[in-house]
Amino acid sequence: GQSLEQPSEVTAVEGAIVQINCTYQTSGFYGLSWYQQHDGGAPTFLSYNGLDGLEETGRFSSFLSRSDSYGYLLLQELQMKDSASYFCAVRLTGFQKLVFGTGTRLLVSP
Amino acid sequence: EAEVAQSPRYKITEKSQAVAFWCDPISGHATLYWYRQILGQGPELLVQFQDESVVDDSQLPKDRFSAERLKGVDSTLKIQPAELGDSAMYLCASASGETQYFGPGTRLLVL
Repeated sequence: GQSLEQPSEVTAVEGAIVQINCTYQTSGFYGLSWYQQHDGGAPTFLSYNGLDGLEETGRFSSFLSRSDSYGYLLLQELQMKDSASYFCAVRLTGFQKLVFGTGTRLLVSP
Repeated sequence: EAEVAQSPRYKITEKSQAVAFWCDPISGHATLYWYRQILGQGPELLVQFQDESVVDDSQLPKDRFSAERLKGVDSTLKIQPAELGDSAMYLCASASGETQYFGPGTRLLVL
């Protein structure tokens, strides 16, 4: 089976940096994705790591270590609008199947 | 910018009734997914289509759920009969490369 672990909640202040970790146990691992979801909204794609290392997209970066079955999402220069739930999702081999974690709720305060 | 369309946005039904949800993916996207999301949890894949073919329905409760994508474009997910435990958000997504684009979802409440 597949299992993913993320912290349930993280709090930070505006302008800070926060890291959301994700560890996984899975068969058929292909890559790791991150999605953001605001309350009442749909998940939106943030990043994908198919190879080990760091991927940077603006204020967001994502990291993957296949040997450690571990990844993280790094959010810099936090803004109030970053308050949302963040999901890591394992991309399995085969037909682009994603298995989502339970999500980390990020609360950014002034 | 192209978006995934879903309807209805909200549905209230009584248990034992039939419900149906519709999804229109982004034009040209061959892969379409239906997910169920319970409040406070991540989306759970119910069924995945590649064009008109089902490639994964291992998590679909087939005694009551059915899904089709007859012409490989839009798709319908049906529940019959609905149960109280089916209350959730039903999300449709289509994919381009490693990016899945989600629709706004249908929030189902079963009374």
